[in-house]
Amino acid sequence: GQQVMQIPQYQHVQEGEDFTTYCNSSTTLSNIQWYKQRPGGHPVFLIQLVKSGEVKKQKRLTFQFGEAKKNSSLHITATQTTDVGTYFCAGDQGAQKLVFGQGTRLTINP
Amino acid sequence: NAGVTQTPKFQVLKTGQSMTLQCAQDMNHEYMSWYRQDPGMGLRLIHYSVGAGITDQGEVPNGYNVSRSTTEDFPLRLLSAAPSQTSVYFCASRTGTSASYEQYFGPGTRLTVT
Repeated sequence: GQQVMQIPQYQHVQEGEDFTTYCNSSTTLSNIQWYKQRPGGHPVFLIQLVKSGEVKKQKRLTFQFGEAKKNSSLHITATQTTDVGTYFCAGDQGAQKLVFGQGTRLTINP
Repeated sequence: NAGVTQTPKFQVLKTGQSMTLQCAQDMNHEYMSWYRQDPGMGLRLIHYSVGAGITDQGEVPNGYNVSRSTTEDFPLRLLSAAPSQTSVYFCASRTGTSASYEQYFGPGTRLTVT
């Protein structure tokens, strides 16, 4: 079936280190969205990427969409304790439904 | 705007019981959906609706029913609860039927079936 794979499942870093999570789809995506879920909370929309090769930045967060529109990444520079949470990618495979990756849970040692 | 609201926040059921999880949004969104979240599984789509009177199945629909009689409300019914339905349930809405719009999630319902 349609799948969006996300790695790693868990990542533990020291505060100040960088963090990256990767998302791969089995099919070409119309767009990809990224969400953040704080512990005990609900997913909150971060950003959407639409164009092939697109790169967007939000302060210390950099989002990329692959040239083939099948993969994406989220990179956080110099993590802070406020970055703790689970990051999900969600791909639009053209059927009105978003398919979510399994998420990457980020924990940070202060 | 309250956004997306869900009730109850927590629920414990015995196997075989039925119940309805409530979801409402006040943003006049056309599209509403229900997800379940299990450890290591991400968010899996149960059912969705592209407008009042229209519903469709998602990835994991078995054991659940939905209806959409108004734009605002999208209740999820568990017909006969099973321990495998222990999960956190999120309702979400977005402004358009295309998946190119951001989704707004409710706070979730944590369900335990014993």
